[in-house]
Amino acid sequence: AQSVTQLDSHVSVSEGTPVLLRCNYSSSYSPSLFWYVQHPNKGLQLLLKYTSAATLVKGINGFEAEFKKSETSFHLTKPSAHMSDAAEYFCVVREDNYGQNFVFGPGTRLSVLP
Amino acid sequence: EAGVAQSPRYKIIEKRQSVAFWCNPISGHATLYWYQQILGQGPKLLIQFQNNGVVDDSQLPKDRFSAERLKGVDSTLKIQPAKLEDSAVYLCASSTQGANQPQHFGDGTRLSIL
Repeated sequence: AQSVTQLDSHVSVSEGTPVLLRCNYSSSYSPSLFWYVQHPNKGLQLLLKYTSAATLVKGINGFEAEFKKSETSFHLTKPSAHMSDAAEYFCVVREDNYGQNFVFGPGTRLSVLP
Repeated sequence: EAGVAQSPRYKIIEKRQSVAFWCNPISGHATLYWYQQILGQGPKLLIQFQNNGVVDDSQLPKDRFSAERLKGVDSTLKIQPAKLEDSAVYLCASSTQGANQPQHFGDGTRLSIL
């Protein structure tokens, strides 16, 4: 069975500085991996997805993530944080087998300080 | 395209009462999901439909929760009777059929049990 660990429950950065949100996964099969963002009182929005193509994935709003199989990691980065990036971020894993279950990590709350 | 529509946005009921949530997925999306998101946690899958058939309901508390998608489009999720621990946001998501298709989420229904 697959699982997801998000190593930080809360990350705080200053506006204009880099963002790093960490995600590690476990999976018995070749996984698909996703990052979603959730602003307060809103549903989740897809930032990017990895599906066994290029290991460096570019998403919306300047975010990108790198799939590292040897480290079972899929960390999310952005070169320069903006105030509007403050939100909850979820790493999601889905195994590429018959099962279609998406498993969400517990989330990382990103705060951006002026 | 129109997004996933959910109603109501907020609902407050007393324990032991019943409640129902409605979801209208994106047009043409065969797969529909209901998630429960407890405060401070990632979403947990309750049930997944493919058209009007259930794919996975292994985490649905069937003694009190029920869901249907009779015509393969709209879906309703019902809780009867509600317990205090059911206080959560209930998210509906939809996707096109096929592996690795991202889910599109509605804004959710926030349920408070008194």
